[in-house]
Amino acid sequence: AQSVAQPEDQVNVAEGNPLTVKCTYSVSGNPYLFWYVQYPNRGLQFLLKYITGDNLVKGSYGFEAEFNKSQTSFHLKKPSALVSDSALYFCAVKGSARQLTFGSGTQLTVLP
Amino acid sequence: SQTIHQWPATLVQPVGSPLSLECTVEGTSNPNLYWYRQAAGRGLQLLFYSVGIGQISSEVPQNLSASRPQDRQFILSSKKLLLSDSGFYLCAWSILTSTGELFFGEGSRLTVL
Repeated sequence: AQSVAQPEDQVNVAEGNPLTVKCTYSVSGNPYLFWYVQYPNRGLQFLLKYITGDNLVKGSYGFEAEFNKSQTSFHLKKPSALVSDSALYFCAVKGSARQLTFGSGTQLTVLP
Repeated sequence: SQTIHQWPATLVQPVGSPLSLECTVEGTSNPNLYWYRQAAGRGLQLLFYSVGIGQISSEVPQNLSASRPQDRQFILSSKKLLLSDSGFYLCAWSILTSTGELFFGEGSRLTVL
């Protein structure tokens, strides 16, 4: 079975500061890893994915994520947070299973 | 480019009434299609997925059903809504041979009173 953990329900960060949203996973086989963002009453938007290759993946809106195989983590990062980054963030994983498994989500609030 | 449309965006229905939510995808053929439910603005629950016309897999037993009458059309239905059916319903699609990433519609907010 595959699983995803987002250990923080809520992350608060000041505007202009770096942000990190944590994600750890468990899968059989090589993982495909994804980050999505959801604004209120909207669908999920795809941010970035890791399939293979460089452990640092760059995505939309200045976000990046680092794949760490030994720690089974895929943390989302941004060097300088914006108030408009405030949203709900979901990590997802796909291993040998047929479907994606989503984490429970982390609410990011960027304070002006 | 591919787009996904989902409607209605919001719906308020009495308990015991029927439900029909519709989703269509444009710009791709033979997509995998999914219905998710999101309760209380948090976790996603996979309800149904389909790999082709008439092929529906149910992930959880419930008061809902799904149908795929055409390649790019996916419908979520209920004959009699329950209070517990309230939530935010999301349709999504993926390419059959992709690495699995999903692309979501804008969602349908269902309130059952």
